[in-house]
Amino acid sequence: KNEVEQSPQNLTAQEGEFITINCSYSVGISALHWLQQHPGGGIVSLFMLSSGKKKHGRLIATINIQEKHSSLHITASHPRDSAVYICAVVRDSNYQLIWGAGTKLIIKP
Amino acid sequence: EPEVTQTPSHQVTQMGQEVILRCVPISNHLYFYWYRQILGQKVEFLVSFYNNEISEKSEIFDDQFSVERPDGSNFTLKIRSTKLEDSAMYFCASSLREIPYNEQFFGPGTRLTVL
Repeated sequence: KNEVEQSPQNLTAQEGEFITINCSYSVGISALHWLQQHPGGGIVSLFMLSSGKKKHGRLIATINIQEKHSSLHITASHPRDSAVYICAVVRDSNYQLIWGAGTKLIIKP
Repeated sequence: EPEVTQTPSHQVTQMGQEVILRCVPISNHLYFYWYRQILGQKVEFLVSFYNNEISEKSEIFDDQFSVERPDGSNFTLKIRSTKLEDSAMYFCASSLREIPYNEQFFGPGTRLTVL
């Protein structure tokens, strides 16, 4: 069983829609990261969370430590948000970053 | 804005050859990491490095892999005898402090193709 599961695997939406990507994990963690990977392969860190909620522009990330679940929300989505969004957790036993498989998001104009 | 750089962007090599992938982390960062992403698969942790030694490594990081910080600015990943299954994108990352307390900054990656 994967230690980090993301859903959905693929998501296509129209410009302007509210987007939610989910992440569940099964290990003890010290923190959780949301990252964005562009078609060229480059990876950008969006958020690092250990509790609660963070907001940056149109992006909101939440985490529920008790339920071992995090969500990434995008408000007023735009075609430039099209990318793969990856959830990765810091395993608290050895601080290794364990990556989810990613959610491929396509926003159509 | 400071960034992590990697060279080359694409490396093609014959099976059995040695390759060295190079990374220049952000200058005041102290922790360094290598990750691998096989095409179509998720990113996998290879190794973390601090204070001139390996602090953690995964099962993937076997004896054919080694890392080095030869001159205080470069951080290299060497694969001694490449196999077909080493074909992947390799990402370097650095952070100021040890995760989880600090975010990592990623390089653009080196695509390694083993023929």
